[in-house]
Amino acid sequence: SQQGEEDPQALSIQEGENATMNCSYKTSINNLQWYRQNSGRGLVHLILIRSNEREKHSGRLRVTLDTSKKSSSLLITASRAADTASYFCATDAVFKGAQKLVFGQGTRLTINP
Amino acid sequence: KAGVTQTPRYLIKTRGQQVTLSCSPISGHRSVSWYQQTPGQGLQFLFEYFSETQRNKGNFPGRFSGRQFSNSRSEMNVSTLELGDSALYLCASSRTVGGNTEAFFGQGTRLTVV
Repeated sequence: SQQGEEDPQALSIQEGENATMNCSYKTSINNLQWYRQNSGRGLVHLILIRSNEREKHSGRLRVTLDTSKKSSSLLITASRAADTASYFCATDAVFKGAQKLVFGQGTRLTINP
Repeated sequence: KAGVTQTPRYLIKTRGQQVTLSCSPISGHRSVSWYQQTPGQGLQFLFEYFSETQRNKGNFPGRFSGRQFSNSRSEMNVSTLELGDSALYLCASSRTVGGNTEAFFGQGTRLTVV
């Protein structure tokens, strides 16, 4: 399977702390993306990092990509209660001749006030 | 620009019935993908349609089917419903620009089979 795997499955931290989530994948990719899902809702695109990039920032989000280790990390700094959600990584790659996004199982993040 | 619209938002069906879910993608997006999300299995890919043709298919039984119309709107159908089909069904439309694909999700249809 080329599915990404997030680690940890669940993370609970205090408001103001930093949260780090990791994603590993198995095949070559065009890019890796992170999505956020609030309980029972659709996924929202957060950030995309291309295979030739190593680090990318967007507000309080910082994403790194290590293609040699086939892994990525998402760092949320100065967490807020509103950051409570599930976070998914998705790999964008050609699979059986067609380009598709493949999602991991997600990390459930809880920010305690 | 309107987002991805899924209807209905909630649905309750009885075992053995069939159900049809609808997805209207973002204007101009030709690719529509469907996912099933359950607490136990996570987000699982069902199928993808592009220009009215199924381009990718996940590992789901033949009871799960879909189609896409000329205006890119898509429907998925589940026949002979089972209790295990209870899930949040998500639709995503996507665009590929410069070799990078980005997905935009609808709010989902919560299906409960009783």
